[in-house]
Amino acid sequence: AQSVTQLDSQVPVFEEAPVELRCNYSSSVSVYLFWYVQYPNQGLQLLLKYLSGSTLVKSINGFEAEFNKSQTSFHLRKPSVHISDTAEYFCAVSPGTYKYIFGTGTRLKVLA
Amino acid sequence: DGGITQSPKYLFRKEGQNVTLSCEQNLNHDAMYWYRQDPGQGLRLIYYSQIVNDFQKGDIAEGYSVSREKKESFPLTVTSAQKNPTAFYLCASSIDGQGTTNEQYFGPGTRLTVT
Repeated sequence: AQSVTQLDSQVPVFEEAPVELRCNYSSSVSVYLFWYVQYPNQGLQLLLKYLSGSTLVKSINGFEAEFNKSQTSFHLRKPSVHISDTAEYFCAVSPGTYKYIFGTGTRLKVLA
Repeated sequence: DGGITQSPKYLFRKEGQNVTLSCEQNLNHDAMYWYRQDPGQGLRLIYYSQIVNDFQKGDIAEGYSVSREKKESFPLTVTSAQKNPTAFYLCASSIDGQGTTNEQYFGPGTRLTVT
């Protein structure tokens, strides 16, 4: 069975500061990894994904995540956050079937 | 524009009533999913359908029912048997239910409140 852990339920950070949202997973098989973002009262939007190849993946709005197989992690980072990045972020893994396993989410609050 | 629509955005019902949440997609995706989202619990899979006229239970199917008579539609009925139905419900789709390299696309959600 697979599981996803997002240890930080809330992360406050000042505008223009860097941020890291942590995601660890457990799985006995290879998985695909995703980060989704959810703005208040909206659905989830895909931010970035790791399928294979380069372990560092980037989004169009400055986020990046690095797949670390030995540490079973897929942490999300941004060097300088904006107020508009305030949202909830979900890490998800897929073991190669229809099924996605989502973490419990991390609320990022960017402070002015 | 292609996408997933869910209606209504907000839904209020009295306890003991069945209620049906709508989900429509025009992405020509084969697979569709229903999730329930509660604060601090992430997303939990209720039902999924990999193809028309076929669907399977997810992790928390008790008290819910679905149908998949058309490729573009996957309505969810919350029955009176669901003990705690108040939640945010999200519908999603993917190109197919086999290839997990295909990400899931989400609708805007329906917030159901049962009193």
